[in-house]
This record gives sequence, structure tokens and C-alpha cells, in this order.
Amino acid sequence: EVQLVESGGGLVQPGGSLRLSCAASGFTLSSFEMNWVRQAPGKGLEWISYISVSGITIHYADSVKGRFTISRDNAKNSVYLQMNSLRVEDTAVYYCARDLGLDGDYWGQGTLVTVSS
Amino acid sequence: DIQLTQSPSFLSASVGDRVTITCRASQGIRSYLAWHQQKPGKAPKVLIYAASTLQGGVPSRFSGSGSGTEFTLTISSLQPEDFATYYCLQLKTYPLTFGGGTKVEIK
Repeated sequence: EVQLVESGGGLVQPGGSLRLSCAASGFTLSSFEMNWVRQAPGKGLEWISYISVSGITIHYADSVKGRFTISRDNAKNSVYLQMNSLRVEDTAVYYCARDLGLDGDYWGQGTLVTVSS
Repeated sequence: DIQLTQSPSFLSASVGDRVTITCRASQGIRSYLAWHQQKPGKAPKVLIYAASTLQGGVPSRFSGSGSGTEFTLTISSLQPEDFATYYCLQLKTYPLTFGGGTKVEIK
């Protein structure tokens, strides 16, 4: 069964850091482009980052550029999102998604990040 | 950045109704558009990709059309399990962008 499982979310103070993980099972992660998408409480979807199969090509939304870093470890079938300098407005459910918007599109169930003092 | 404007943002409809949701792009994106469905508390799932290709396993009552700047998602006969929020997504250019969403509720 295809699965993406996010972990690492939680409560953090403004200015703090968190590292999210996305573990794949049931398929080989190294064959897929990966993205992170977030959804603030009661709001719509916001794409925040992309990483190519090789890890060489990376993109970020302006809202997180310079603060968040996406990476992948194909040997561990995992993708990561290092989040630094967190702000209250980063509070959201964070989803990892493979092949976003393509025929292989599949999302994890998400992990909640709450930034609050 | 490419802006996607979805309309309507809210839609009240009955089971069996034909429903159409529109997504307009601020610049041409050819057919680089997908539609996702999201139910409360759940992750989104793709319904349509490449503007008009039905994802495997998605009922044929869903269809997508359009290219360039104007796209539509149509549900030919609304079913109880279709009450959800729908989002368009453009993949033409980074940053990828989603439309604001259309919430479909029961009349």
C-alpha cells in the first residue's frame, strides 16, 4: 500500500525551529518529485517547496525562502523540511506530496505545526 | 507569480445537480492545471490532471476542460460523497499556486 507519513510537527515558539520528515512506503521515493504544501487553520492550500528526483533542483515560495530548507534521502525513502525562524503565520498543517498535480499525485495525512508563545 | 481565481468560492447544490467550477489564470498556463478535492480533516486528492485527464479511480461524473487561462471542473450529477472543497493548481511555473477553493455544500 502506498503511504506517505509526515512527522515532526508540534508546538514551537516564534523564532524556533522544527524539522519535518516525510517517510514513504509501498513505493520507491527516488522515482518521484516531492513537494511540501501547507494549510493554515480554516484556510486554503499553499505550496511551499519542491525538490527534484536527484535533489539538484529546488524551489521555494517567497513566504519561506531563506528560512526553510527541503532535502531528501532516497536511501531512507524520506524527504525533509527544516524550518527555521518560525513565525506565528507558519502555523498550519504541513503535507508532503509526490508528483503534485501529475498522474502520480499522492499526499500524506499531514502534520500540524503550531507557532505560538 | 501566476494567480488563480476560482469561482464561485461557495456553492450550495442538491444531489443530482450539475455543478461547474471555474478557475482563471492570470496568464496562460497551457494545460498545466490540476484539480484536487479535499474533505474535512483529510488530505487533498487529485481528480484531474493536465486540465482534462481523469485520475485513475475517479468517477466519470467528474470532468475537466480548458486551456490557456480559463478552466472548468464539472460534476455531471452531484453525489453525497462529492460535498467537499475543490482547488485548482497550476504547474506551469514556480512558485506553484492554488486557487482559493470552492466549497460545495448541500442545499
